[in-house]
Amino acid sequence: GESVGLHLPTLSVQEGDNSIINCAYSNSASDYFIWYKQESGKGPQFIIDIRSNMDKRQGQRVTVLLNKTVKHLSLQIAATQPGDSAVYFCAENIQGAQKLVFGQGTRLTINP
Amino acid sequence: EAGVAQSPRYKIIEKRQSVAFWCNPISGHATLYWYQQILGQGPKLLIQFQNNGVVDDSQLPKDRFSAERLKGVDSTLKIQPAKLEDSAVYLCASSLVWSGGGETQYFGPGTRLLVL
Repeated sequence: GESVGLHLPTLSVQEGDNSIINCAYSNSASDYFIWYKQESGKGPQFIIDIRSNMDKRQGQRVTVLLNKTVKHLSLQIAATQPGDSAVYFCAENIQGAQKLVFGQGTRLTINP
Repeated sequence: EAGVAQSPRYKIIEKRQSVAFWCNPISGHATLYWYQQILGQGPKLLIQFQNNGVVDDSQLPKDRFSAERLKGVDSTLKIQPAKLEDSAVYLCASSLVWSGGGETQYFGPGTRLLVL
């Protein structure tokens, strides 16, 4: 089965609040992680990535945290906007294989 | 920079028919991937090319699925014959290099297939 999973299938937040989307992975050999955003009818869109030698990486309004001890990955979105509504996937790269394994996804909905 | 292009965007066929999907990766990207995404799930890798050679096709149902990338650029994915369970979105992605480590993959819009 998949080695990457998500804790919650759906997440609803108020517009302007911060969102936190979680992901658990089971393969300790994974060395690279990516968060993708997928809007309805579109392909996954790259958001942010992080390598296993880091524990935090920041982008524009997004932050990814990696906890290798508990094999946990999270995506934080600051000041959530209506345009952030989508399904978010975490994906892990199997070391040496350049093979992404995707989790099931979390649907983020924004309440006005 | 143009993104990954795919066609057709939608396809409806009857079971046991054949279907083909086309992908044009981002210019200069050596690695090309085909994924299958069933409704409500994350994408699952079917096949991975490095230039025109296959790197990984371990999850491709080879009795009915085939893919090629003859000139190391465009690629086609074929299903023959199609089954009901093949209904899914077929995503093409590309990345700049294949290094064995992690490289960002960029996805096309996908082809939505419905098998009746």
